[in-house]
Amino acid sequence: GDSVTQMEGPVTLSEEAFLTINCTYTATGYPSLFWYVQYPGEGLQLLLKATKADDKGSNKGFEATYRKETTSFHLEKGSVQVSDSAVYFCALSESPTASKLTFGTGTRLQVTL
Amino acid sequence: GAVVSQHPSRVICKSGTSVKIECRSLDFQATTMFWYRQFPKQSLMLMATSNEGSKATYEQGVEKDKFLINHASLTLSTLTVTSAHPEDSSFYICSANRDYLVHEQFFGPGTRLTVL
Repeated sequence: GDSVTQMEGPVTLSEEAFLTINCTYTATGYPSLFWYVQYPGEGLQLLLKATKADDKGSNKGFEATYRKETTSFHLEKGSVQVSDSAVYFCALSESPTASKLTFGTGTRLQVTL
Repeated sequence: GAVVSQHPSRVICKSGTSVKIECRSLDFQATTMFWYRQFPKQSLMLMATSNEGSKATYEQGVEKDKFLINHASLTLSTLTVTSAHPEDSSFYICSANRDYLVHEQFFGPGTRLTVL
């Protein structure tokens, strides 16, 4: 079945550091890929998405590129802020209209001054 | 907009009792609602999908009689954990679709269930 593997956290960075959170997936067909973010005490929110190979999703300074050849969707940000401290989940669906999301285990990011 | 609430946020109960968790879409009508379970340091696992007025579709391995889902209206779904046991202790999260796109799921903040 489909699966998503994320790097284990927590990841601790100083403010303005470069962030990479690795995500790889296993799926049949042509899945859609997502990053969700969960701030403390809140529900998961969609951060960005990509629906086909070589697409780049971006939002709030975060980017991720759908790499079919390496089955990866790594999340990057050039300069993190304290307010980016949260748990980040990589996820996939079989297609943009499929009803099921498969999540990774989540990676906690802690940004310090 | 697109806010989903859950109640209660935390619940502690004795083994053998039943617990009901509510999930509400506050400012939109949800075409579909989803229930997830999350164990510590593990991913969210989809338990069931429900549409208003119809029976829920459960994922393989999820006991229908144990986890009762009622989707009574376009803004409310409930999950009842029946005859709860300590192994049912977990973090339960609901989400709701405003549209038919899977990524347009709006998540509630979750409910921490502890069964003594």
